[in-house]
Amino acid sequence: AQSVTQLGSHVSVSEGALVLLRCNYSSSVPPYLFWYVQYPNQGLQLLLKYTSAATLVKGINGFEAEFKKSETSFHLTKPSAHMSDAAEYFCAVSESDSWGKLQFGAGTQVVVTP
Amino acid sequence: EAQVTQNPRYLITVTGKKLTVTCSQNMNHEYMSWYRQDPGLGLRQIYYSMNVEVTDKGDVPEGYKVSRKEKRNFPLILESPSPNQTSLYFCASSLVTGGNQPQHFGDGTRLSIL
Repeated sequence: AQSVTQLGSHVSVSEGALVLLRCNYSSSVPPYLFWYVQYPNQGLQLLLKYTSAATLVKGINGFEAEFKKSETSFHLTKPSAHMSDAAEYFCAVSESDSWGKLQFGAGTQVVVTP
Repeated sequence: EAQVTQNPRYLITVTGKKLTVTCSQNMNHEYMSWYRQDPGLGLRQIYYSMNVEVTDKGDVPEGYKVSRKEKRNFPLILESPSPNQTSLYFCASSLVTGGNQPQHFGDGTRLSIL
């Protein structure tokens, strides 16, 4: 079965510093990949998705992610953290031939310090 | 405004007292799904529906029921709730069924079963 690993349940970054959140998946066939963000007391909001087009995917709020097939990774980055980026981030995968089931990672809580 | 609406947002109840969490989407989406979110486990799928009268089990269906009598509504039913069903629940929908479809999430329902 597909699995998703997010390295680090909590990440603390300084305002203006690089944000790097790691995600690795287990499928041997490149799946569809997503990053979602969850702000306090809200549902999940799509940041970006990879669906086999360009390997570097740009999302909302200045985030981007790079799909690396050889490393089975889909790490999320943002060059300069803002206080408003404090949230929980989830990586999710869906098999390319699936009906839409999402397999989520455990999530990474991002804290931004002034 | 396009949205997925869940009710109630918060509920504290007792073991064995039947409850229903409603979910409604106004986007004419075909696919709907229920997830539960637990710390350190990310989101896990409970049930999903590919269309009216078509539902199937996700990864953690025990103790839950669903129905899809209308396209816009997908209620989650706990016939005899137990404390291990204390969790944060999310309803989600997508335009069509498919692995590459991003899902739109409601704001969540926090259930506490005493």
